[in-house]
Amino acid sequence: AQTVTQSQPEMSVQEAETVTLSCTYDTSESNYYLFWYKQPPSRQMILVIRQEAYKQQNATENRFSVNFQKAAKSFSLKISDSQLGDTAMYFCAFILGGSQGNLIFGKGTKLSVKP
Amino acid sequence: GAVVSQHPSRVICKSGTSVKIECRSLDFQATTMFWYRQFPKQSLMLMATSNEGSKATYEQGVEKDKFLINHASLTLSTLTVTSAHPEDSSFYICSARDRRNMNTEAFFGQGTRLTVV
Repeated sequence: AQTVTQSQPEMSVQEAETVTLSCTYDTSESNYYLFWYKQPPSRQMILVIRQEAYKQQNATENRFSVNFQKAAKSFSLKISDSQLGDTAMYFCAFILGGSQGNLIFGKGTKLSVKP
Repeated sequence: GAVVSQHPSRVICKSGTSVKIECRSLDFQATTMFWYRQFPKQSLMLMATSNEGSKATYEQGVEKDKFLINHASLTLSTLTVTSAHPEDSSFYICSARDRRNMNTEAFFGQGTRLTVV
């Protein structure tokens, strides 16, 4: 069975600085997808970034980038130039390629950006 | 991007009554939709998978007679909390994936905050 682990329940960062959120996963499959979702106080789940396992290049979306280490089964999220609006719960998620099932979520990391 | 609309966003009901929550995919079709419950400061807990045209698949420990799920079309799933009690008060979220491309992310509704008094 696939599992997703986020080992940091809470983190904080100063505005304009950089922070990295950790995520590890476990699977014996080779075709899968990884995601980071953000859940702000409004509780709307928002996709931040996605990574296809077959791609070696790390995904990047503006200030958000990932460090995807397939052999280590690690998928960390780096937020550069942190903004107050980045304050949210961040969930790492996994799904097998071609699966019609649900995403498997980690327990989340609460990120607070301080002015 | 794809949009999932969930309604209502907030509902307060009396103990013993039933409440229906709708989840619609607005610009794509979803063979399956997912219903989650989220307790404060916790992750999403999958309750059930809603399958278009067939019975829902419930996770262990979720009472199927209490949480009725109907997926009558490729764009609509409903969750009915029957005979609600205060312990059913929670945040419920639905999600859906585009059946044309199962390698995409899941799209989420806005969530429903249910309060049973």
